[in-house]
Amino acid sequence: NAGVMQNPRHLVRRRGQEARLRCSPMKGHSHVYWYRQLPEEGLKFMVYLQKENIIDESGMPKERFSAEFPKEGPSILRIQQVVRGDSAAYFCASSPDGVRELFFGEGSRLTVL
Amino acid sequence: GENVEQHPSTLSVQEGDSAVIKCTYSDSASNYFPWYKQELGKRPQLIIDIRSNVGEKKDQRIAVTLNKTAKHFSLHITETQPEDSAVYFCAAEGNTGKLIFGQGTTLQVKP
Repeated sequence: NAGVMQNPRHLVRRRGQEARLRCSPMKGHSHVYWYRQLPEEGLKFMVYLQKENIIDESGMPKERFSAEFPKEGPSILRIQQVVRGDSAAYFCASSPDGVRELFFGEGSRLTVL
Repeated sequence: GENVEQHPSTLSVQEGDSAVIKCTYSDSASNYFPWYKQELGKRPQLIIDIRSNVGEKKDQRIAVTLNKTAKHFSLHITETQPEDSAVYFCAAEGNTGKLIFGQGTTLQVKP
């Protein structure tokens, strides 16, 4: 069973461009979580999705950020009109029904020039 | 709101000594408390967790204690080794099942 797969691992964007980060959860996992990590800081919760539904988006900025987890395909975190402050590592995690442990991907490191 | 505070932010110990990291949480309804280890440039990985129906759990050199009344829990690492050097995160389960993480503790074990 492959682990949580995130791509791209590294992404460079100029201010004003769009960033799309993808996350394929582990097989059989229907719960996906996105976290943001700034250098030398903790993991900040952004959004929790379960197949086609957003369960909790309380940590996601209301503007420019959106997330989806379609019936088929990976979960996508989309950041429009990126700014330098969006530079961070974005981690995706997944879990199966009834299991509380989160399995993390290797992260996508976004750099905004 | 849901919040987890973690201390200290950095911890340096000599190899063989013990290390203790402490966390407090705000949501009295939380009943699941995991600890994750993140090595430099790597993904966070679960090392131990505890549920609210027990006060202590041990796995070899790692132990976690939980005080639900005081809303705090701690990680204890005994006989530390250089490979224990990493960032450690505590977490508490939030009201929708998400995990709320502490700010992290950078542990350095000196040979």
